[in-house]
Amino acid sequence: SQELEQSPQSLIVQEGKNLTINCTSSKTLYGLYWYKQKYGEGLIFLMMLQKGGEEKSHEKITAKLDEKKQQSSLHITASQPSHAGIYLCGAGRGSTLGRLYFGRGTQLTVWP
Amino acid sequence: EPEVTQTPSHQVTQMGQEVILRCVPISNHLYFYWYRQILGQKVEFLVSFYNNEISEKSEIFDDQFSVERPDGSNFTLKIRSTKLEDSAMYFCASSLLAPEAFFGQGTRLTVV
Repeated sequence: SQELEQSPQSLIVQEGKNLTINCTSSKTLYGLYWYKQKYGEGLIFLMMLQKGGEEKSHEKITAKLDEKKQQSSLHITASQPSHAGIYLCGAGRGSTLGRLYFGRGTQLTVWP
Repeated sequence: EPEVTQTPSHQVTQMGQEVILRCVPISNHLYFYWYRQILGQKVEFLVSFYNNEISEKSEIFDDQFSVERPDGSNFTLKIRSTKLEDSAMYFCASSLLAPEAFFGQGTRLTVV
């Protein structure tokens, strides 16, 4: 099975600071998906990365995929309290069936 | 914006009882999924459904689980005889292009 390790497990930052969350896969990545979850709620799709070197941005969140390292990073610039939540990375296995494997998540707290 | 909706948001049931969790996927989506998240643990895949049949299921999805798409809009997960360890948040997801999935808000199932 696909194992995804996220680091750090939790992160507490002051508003306005930049931060990075990493996701490392034990196997070849066939697409990497970032989701955000607020405690006890559903997963909100943030972005999908498919190709090595690909980088995507949405508002102040940027994600990159390093296929060779089987790793993705999520970077938040000038964090705000609205960024707080649990960030999950998910990966497929390259089939069309669509099953995703998830990491344990990184809990982000942003204090004003 | 189209979204996946799940009902109920919270279900409490006695051990041994049957429960049905309901989902309305995004209308033009083709792939449907159930995932679950036991408190404090990873989001885990249960089953995927495509073209009116199960396309993949995990080892968790044993004989006590079943899925149905009884009409053009609903997608249900039935647990025949609930156990204490079935207590979890159950997420429905749908996608047009697997596995880029959009998740519902979840149903919190508590088995007592």
